[in-house]
Parts: sequence; C-alpha cells; structure tokens
Amino acid sequence: KNEVEQSPQNLTAQEGEFITINCSYSVGISALHWLQQHPGGGIVSLFMLSSGKKKHGRLIATINIQEKHSSLHITASHPRDSAVYICAVWASGSRLTFGEGTQLTVNP
Amino acid sequence: KAGVTQTPRYLIKTRGQQVTLSCSPISGHRSVSWYQQTPGQGLQFLFEYFSETQRNKGNFPGRFSGRQFSNSRSEMNVSTLELGDSALYLCASRAGQGEDTQYFGPGTRLTVL
Repeated sequence: KNEVEQSPQNLTAQEGEFITINCSYSVGISALHWLQQHPGGGIVSLFMLSSGKKKHGRLIATINIQEKHSSLHITASHPRDSAVYICAVWASGSRLTFGEGTQLTVNP
Repeated sequence: KAGVTQTPRYLIKTRGQQVTLSCSPISGHRSVSWYQQTPGQGLQFLFEYFSETQRNKGNFPGRFSGRQFSNSRSEMNVSTLELGDSALYLCASRAGQGEDTQYFGPGTRLTVL
C-alpha cells in the first residue's frame, strides 16, 4: 500500500462544476503539498499546508491531521484547470513522498 | 527572481552511456532536490543537497549520483544508462532545510535507446 493515496485517479468534469480531489496518507507528516502538473511536465506548487484550510482564487485546500486526510477543491472549474494534481507529504527526513496523481479534464 | 532552470531540456542517449544533468536553483535557495518521474512509478525522490552536502537519498542504485557546488547549482549523473532510466528528471529548490514550498524546474526528459 502506498504511503500516499489519491482519489479519484481520473476525473472528468463539465466547465463550472465543483471538483474535489482527495488525498489520504498513512505516515506522520509535518506538512502537505498540492502540486499541479500540466502536459509538458512543469510542476507548480499550489499549496503547502500543515493544518486547517488555505484558499487561493478558485482553489481551496483543507487538511485534517488527525484523520490523515486532505482535499483540494476547485470551484467554478474551467478547461484551463485540466492538469494532473499531485498530493505530496513531508514525512520523516527531508524528502517528499508523492501520491500517484489525479488526471483532471474539464470540458467546455 | 528567475525560477529554477534545468539543462538540457531534452536528451537522447544509448544504453551504457552516462549523462549529466544540471539544475540552477532560485537565487538564495540552498536546498536542491532531484526527482525521477516515470509513467509506471510516478514521482520518486532521488536525493537532496543542502550547502554542498547530500542530506537524504532515495532508493536508487549507485549509478545515480549528484553533487552541489558552492553557488548551490547542482548536477546529477547517471552512469551505465539502462532503458528503464528513461524518465523526466525534475529538480526543485527551496530556501531552507525544513518543510518549505518547493519550486520545481521544467525538467529534463531523458530517453535511453
């Protein structure tokens, strides 16, 4: 079993829909990243959080340390949100451990 | 500030050759981490350098090595290339040693024939 599990693996939505991507982890962590990867490979860090909730534009990330669970929400989704979203955790040491990613496709 | 840069962006090698990839972190960042991304394994941690010292290493064979220079630029080297080394190699930098936002470079796509 992977230390970081994401669901769903693939998600197709219509423009304007509310989207949720989930991340569960089995190890103790000090912080969690949500990353976005567009075709071509470039990765952008969307959020890093260790408690509570963060919001940036149409993106909201929440984390529940006790339940070892985090969610990434996208409100009013748009085709330009189509990308792979990756959850990564800072566990022991100084390394990031990654989930397998969620491929999101938003259709116009 | 300029972002993380990686060179070259694309590389084609044959089995048995060796390759060196370069990463220049964001100015002022002293930590550089390297990752391998493949369709089958996803993103995997290779190693991290901070102030010219390797601080952490992932589960990769000794053919994978790296170093960091005094200006924080980093190189990784893969010797005796295998077909399975074909991947996107990403480096990321952050300011300090602890949990901090990582800034990723565009990656080097290595193809081994």
